[in-house]
Amino acid sequence: DAGVIQSPRHEVTEMGQEVTLRCKPISGHNSLFWYRQTMMRGLELLIYFNNNVPIDDSGMPEDRFSAKMPNASFSTLKIQPSEPRDSAVYFCASSLAGTGIHEQYFGPGTRLTVT
Amino acid sequence: SQQGEEDPQALSIQEGENATMNCSYKTSINNLQWYRQNSGRGLVHLILIRSNEREKHSGRLRVTLDTSKKSSSLLITASRAADTASYFCATLHTGTASKLTFGTGTRLQVTL
Repeated sequence: DAGVIQSPRHEVTEMGQEVTLRCKPISGHNSLFWYRQTMMRGLELLIYFNNNVPIDDSGMPEDRFSAKMPNASFSTLKIQPSEPRDSAVYFCASSLAGTGIHEQYFGPGTRLTVT
Repeated sequence: SQQGEEDPQALSIQEGENATMNCSYKTSINNLQWYRQNSGRGLVHLILIRSNEREKHSGRLRVTLDTSKKSSSLLITASRAADTASYFCATLHTGTASKLTFGTGTRLQVTL
């Protein structure tokens, strides 16, 4: 298996532009997580899905952020409009829920820079 | 907040020495996991310990769990320069489905 795949790996955009981050989880996994990591705030959980359904989006900073999971093999995180303070590394992770273990597998991340 | 806290925040040791990192959490857990993150990369799962276990080993890693103190420790024996990374504990709390709560991390530097 190729592991969790994220695209793009790097994104540089100007303030006000829309940004879409993409994630393909490991095949067979039924939970998907979006995290944001910065030096100041560390690793923050933004939202997670179980069986394609959003379970907890309390970490989503504000209405500018939205996430979808239209099927078991694809998820997007959208920021519209983007702001410089959104600059961070965004990670997607997946796991297999129902085993009681919930080990998460992380993608390589998308480094977002908003100028 | 359920967020775990690790200490120390940073640790610098020489190759061959042992490294110990600690993690504390606030509410009851199903399991506790340790992850490693190399600079610029995603987190990688290292080891898991269930709430009914007290100690677990995997290679040069040793994890202990004290649920009465709500704390865990990760010991890396005979450290190598390649162990240089950040280490995070993550807890699966009772009643939180599949969500893990990550700690703030310990940055380990192993020098030659």
